[in-house]
Amino acid sequence: EVQLVESGGGLVQPGGSLRLSCAVSGFGFTNYWMRWVRQAPGKGLEWVASIKQDEREVHYVGSVQGRFTISGDNAKNSLFLQMNSLRVEDTAVYYCMRASGPGGYGEWGLGTLVTVSS
Amino acid sequence: DIVMTQSPLSLPVTPGEPASISCRSSQSLLKSNGYYYLDWYLQKPGQSPQLLIYLSSNRASGVPDRFSGSGSGTDFTLKISRVEAEDVGVYYCMQGLQPPITFGQGTRLEIK
Repeated sequence: EVQLVESGGGLVQPGGSLRLSCAVSGFGFTNYWMRWVRQAPGKGLEWVASIKQDEREVHYVGSVQGRFTISGDNAKNSLFLQMNSLRVEDTAVYYCMRASGPGGYGEWGLGTLVTVSS
Repeated sequence: DIVMTQSPLSLPVTPGEPASISCRSSQSLLKSNGYYYLDWYLQKPGQSPQLLIYLSSNRASGVPDRFSGSGSGTDFTLKISRVEAEDVGVYYCMQGLQPPITFGQGTRLEIK
C-alpha cells in the first residue's frame, strides 16, 4: 500500500526556518516526479516544488525560489523541503504527492501545517 | 506560465442529476508522448485532495465510473453522470505538463 506521511510543520517566526519531511512507503520515489503542494487557510492549491531524484532535476515556484530547497534521501525513501527566510504568506498546509503519469499514481499525504507568525 | 481557468466556481446539484465542470488552459497540454497532462482532483471537506482523472480521460483506481474526463488541446471537462451526496467538495484541475505546475481556482460542488 502506498503511503506518504508528512512531518515537521509547526509555528515559526517570520525569517525563521523549518524542514519538512515526507516518508514514502509502497514504492521507491527516485524514479517518479514528486511534488510539494501547499494550501493556505481557506484557499486553493498551490504547487511549491518538484524533484525527480534519478535525473537530479528540481523546479520551484517563483515565490519560494532561493528560499526553499527540495531534496530526497534514497536510503530513507524520504523527501524533504528545507524552508528558510519564512514569511507570513508561507502559512499553509504542506502536502507531498506523487505526480501522475501513464501508469496512474497521484497519491497525496495528509499534510503538515506550517504557521509563520510573530 | 500556463493559466488554468475553471467554470463554474460554484455548482449546486440535485442528487441523481448530472454535473459538468470545465477547465481551460492558456496553452495546449499535449506532451510529445501523445498524452494530455491534465488531472482532476477532488478535495472533500477536511481531507487531502484525491486523484479522480489523470491524463485527461483516465479514471484513477477505485474511482466510481460515474466520473469521466474528456478533452484535448486547451479544453477539458469533468462529468459526473449522477451526483451523490459523497461527491461534495472542491474539484480542481491541474496541469502537469511543465513547471510551474498550476491548478485551477477550484469548483465547489454542493448538494441542493
